[in-house]
Amino acid sequence: QVQLVQSGAEVKKPGASVKVSCKASGYTFTSYDINWVRQATGQGLEWMGWMNPNSGNTGYAQKFQGRVTIARNTSISTAYMELSSLRSEDTAVYYCARLRHYGYYDSSGPKYYYYYMDVWGKGTTVTVSS
Amino acid sequence: QSVLTQPPSASGTPGQRVTISCSGHTSNIGSNTVNWYQQLPGTAPKLLIYSNNQRPSGVPDRFSGSKSGTSASLAISGLQSEDEADYYCAAWDDSLNGQVFGGGTKLTVL
Repeated sequence: QVQLVQSGAEVKKPGASVKVSCKASGYTFTSYDINWVRQATGQGLEWMGWMNPNSGNTGYAQKFQGRVTIARNTSISTAYMELSSLRSEDTAVYYCARLRHYGYYDSSGPKYYYYYMDVWGKGTTVTVSS
Repeated sequence: QSVLTQPPSASGTPGQRVTISCSGHTSNIGSNTVNWYQQLPGTAPKLLIYSNNQRPSGVPDRFSGSKSGTSASLAISGLQSEDEADYYCAAWDDSLNGQVFGGGTKLTVL
């Protein structure tokens, strides 16, 4: 069955970096984009960015620009999200999710006829504490 | 502060019909389709409604979605105890060039 299996919980000190992995199975990894979303304890969902596993193209939420890197290794169908310069506010559960979308680009950016996340990983807890 | 606005809580008794609203702007809900995600306690979000009113395979037809202008709503009929969860609306935002979410609505089945 289609699933995304994420790496285990991490504990990091402020200023460090964390790299979370997301291994896809049950479908062709390069055929669907991957989103990363995080959720602080007791809080809502926050989109961090996306990656096209086929091309390696990425896009990041402005809030995380310069601090987040999303990458992939197609030979093992795995996506990665690395967040640097960690601070206590980055303590959260980080999710990867398969993205289903269809649209086009115009001068102002992508325009979507549909855009949704149909398969989610179970999440990876990242704790930032001194 | 979330880009999309949802009520923080909703409640109903078993068998009742409840609705959850989601308000946005022309750059998100007004221009793009709306999705709803259900998050049961301690679990990852699950796709509940996509493209405004489409149900993925396996989602009961008790769940329905609608959109009008810059607002959307999720309706749950025949409320059951297992529907107790957090519900999030989401849409692409053309101005932010990113996915935006509502703050979530905690549904309690009394």
